[in-house]
Amino acid sequence: DQQVKQNSPSLSVQEGRISILNCDYTNSMFDYFLWYKKYPAEGPTFLISISSIKDKNEDGRFTVFLNKSAKHLSLHIVPSQPGDSAVYFCAASPSTDTGKLIFGQGTTLQVKP
Amino acid sequence: KAGVTQTPRYLIKTRGQQVTLSCSPISGHRSVSWYQQTPGQGLQFLFEYFSETQRNKGNFPGRFSGRQFSNSRSEMNVSTLELGDSALYLCASNRGPATNEKLFFGSGTQLSVL
Repeated sequence: DQQVKQNSPSLSVQEGRISILNCDYTNSMFDYFLWYKKYPAEGPTFLISISSIKDKNEDGRFTVFLNKSAKHLSLHIVPSQPGDSAVYFCAASPSTDTGKLIFGQGTTLQVKP
Repeated sequence: KAGVTQTPRYLIKTRGQQVTLSCSPISGHRSVSWYQQTPGQGLQFLFEYFSETQRNKGNFPGRFSGRQFSNSRSEMNVSTLELGDSALYLCASNRGPATNEKLFFGSGTQLSVL
């Protein structure tokens, strides 16, 4: 039972354009969502998060949108840069259980120069 | 401030053997979580420890176990290794089970079972 799903295994965009990564969840108990970025041979690094009391959170080039009714979140990267090429994981948790994150399968983003 | 440190980085074992992986959290962090990453499966939660007590456990067989020491360092053990245990094992830490406290991950231990 995959409670967090990233249905696109890969995404390719041109440098300077917008990258949109999507994530769906099924468990209505989730109220804290995070995006992590992972390079090969390294551990995931935290990118941005959002709690269910918000529908948008922005940090520089990165914006996360949350649609609770659709149980959907998305990460927008504008403008995309070649250094953004990595695997992106979305994760979710009930706010009281932040040590136990439920991750999606990941989306590999390639930003072409 | 040093990050989460995992040792060893790479490990090769054969079926039936057992293995112990080590994790040192960021100084001041008292909660340690372990995850398994396999191709196409994302990261799957194994267990979480806080103050030497297991708080949460994922859906893994009893061959997977862990513990946490008084200095917050943690180990996980896999007994009777199977080929399917080949994976990247990631450790993460944070200050504790507080609301919206993000996890910091180590670089992982890549385990290959032959």
